[in-house]
Amino acid sequence: DVKVTQSSRYLVKRTGEKVFLECVQDMDHENMFWYRQDPGLGLRLIYFSYDVKMKEKGDIPEGYSVSREKKERFSLILESASTNQTSMYLCASSNRVGSYNEQFFGPGTRLTVL
Amino acid sequence: GEDVEQSLFLSVREGDSSVINCTYTDSSSTYLYWYKQEPGAGLQLLTYIFSNMDMKQDQRLTVLLNKKDKHLSLRIADTQTGDSAIYFCAESMAGGSYIPTFGRGTSLIVHP
Repeated sequence: DVKVTQSSRYLVKRTGEKVFLECVQDMDHENMFWYRQDPGLGLRLIYFSYDVKMKEKGDIPEGYSVSREKKERFSLILESASTNQTSMYLCASSNRVGSYNEQFFGPGTRLTVL
Repeated sequence: GEDVEQSLFLSVREGDSSVINCTYTDSSSTYLYWYKQEPGAGLQLLTYIFSNMDMKQDQRLTVLLNKKDKHLSLRIADTQTGDSAIYFCAESMAGGSYIPTFGRGTSLIVHP
């Protein structure tokens, strides 16, 4: 079974703190993604990576950075957390086969910034 | 441009059929997917359909694809309280990017 794990299910941080969200996948997938999910807005892509040390901005990269030093691990960094970054964060991975592009998701991290 | 639209809410009684609808704009879509997100969890692929098919059935799930109208639907027969979740429609395209396009999700609420 493909497994995508995220370091925390729930996290509470203070405004201005640096926050690290970690994601690990065990299926040797090339592609990894970070989304945030807010009610009524669906999934919004923050960053994605299609290879080690490669990263691409998604739709809402402001206030975030990422790191992919190893193929199985993709980290999301909030340099200085703000209250508007309170959200559910979802990590996903995929290996595209032709145009079939199933994504495998982690359980999510619910981040609250006070 | 790429756009996938869904209604935000659907409420049904236990035992009834649920139909969740989705429209998309890109005619080069090759695969269309339905993901399910249970409360407090990540998304999980429920089923998918290839664009050269009209229908796909899998136990209580029926996916209908109308390519002419760019309309996708998911029918759940004999809906149970355990089907309460958010359902996301998504598409991926031939020659497209690594990223499928997701709709905003439909919250299905099943009443006893």
